[in-house]
Amino acid sequence: DADVTQTPRNRITKTGKRIMLECSQTKGHDRMYWYRQDPGLGLRLIYYSFDVKDINKGEISDGYSVSRQAQAKFSLSLESAIPNQTALYFCATSDADRGGQETQYFGPGTRLLVL
Amino acid sequence: AQSVTQLDSQVPVFEEAPVELRCNYSSSVSVYLFWYVQYPNQGLQLLLKYLSGSTLVKGINGFEAEFNKSQTSFHLRKPSVHISDTAEYFCAFYDKVIFGPGTSLSVIP
Repeated sequence: DADVTQTPRNRITKTGKRIMLECSQTKGHDRMYWYRQDPGLGLRLIYYSFDVKDINKGEISDGYSVSRQAQAKFSLSLESAIPNQTALYFCATSDADRGGQETQYFGPGTRLLVL
Repeated sequence: AQSVTQLDSQVPVFEEAPVELRCNYSSSVSVYLFWYVQYPNQGLQLLLKYLSGSTLVKGINGFEAEFNKSQTSFHLRKPSVHISDTAEYFCAFYDKVIFGPGTSLSVIP
């Protein structure tokens, strides 16, 4: 079984709709991240969480919100989807518990199309 | 400002030929450097990482990378590529985790 899972894997929605992307992990990591990937731009950080009570904005948080329901679950919401939020979204966890040396583990991605 | 640059957006190479994917970074603090690979329709997987010690780092699938502090580079190399190496490759560094824009490697049979 995969250590980091994302649901749904693909989603098509309309402008103005609210949508939630979910991420679950079985690695027991405290840190979780949400990124979006766009061609030619690499991965850009949306939000990250260092533990259940710690949520931080990333580089491009506008238009997004997150919820850390438990150590294993980190959800990303688009309150009112717009077409330029069409992208591939990745959830990741990390084992940054050794002096800041951090390796990230990625989910398979969610492909979102906003019409 | 901290940043990661991958100079080549696309690299086509013939099967069994050597390849080098370039990565340069800009940071005023100590960094930890990573290469990730993304196969078609999949998430990212860690190829290798440099944390400290030897500047030549060996990773999975025959890849290696060399950390060069004076040139602020961390280029990825493989002496002989295979069709299965066709993928997107991302350089990243951690102070905050910052990814480069990616290099698409296409191996031509």
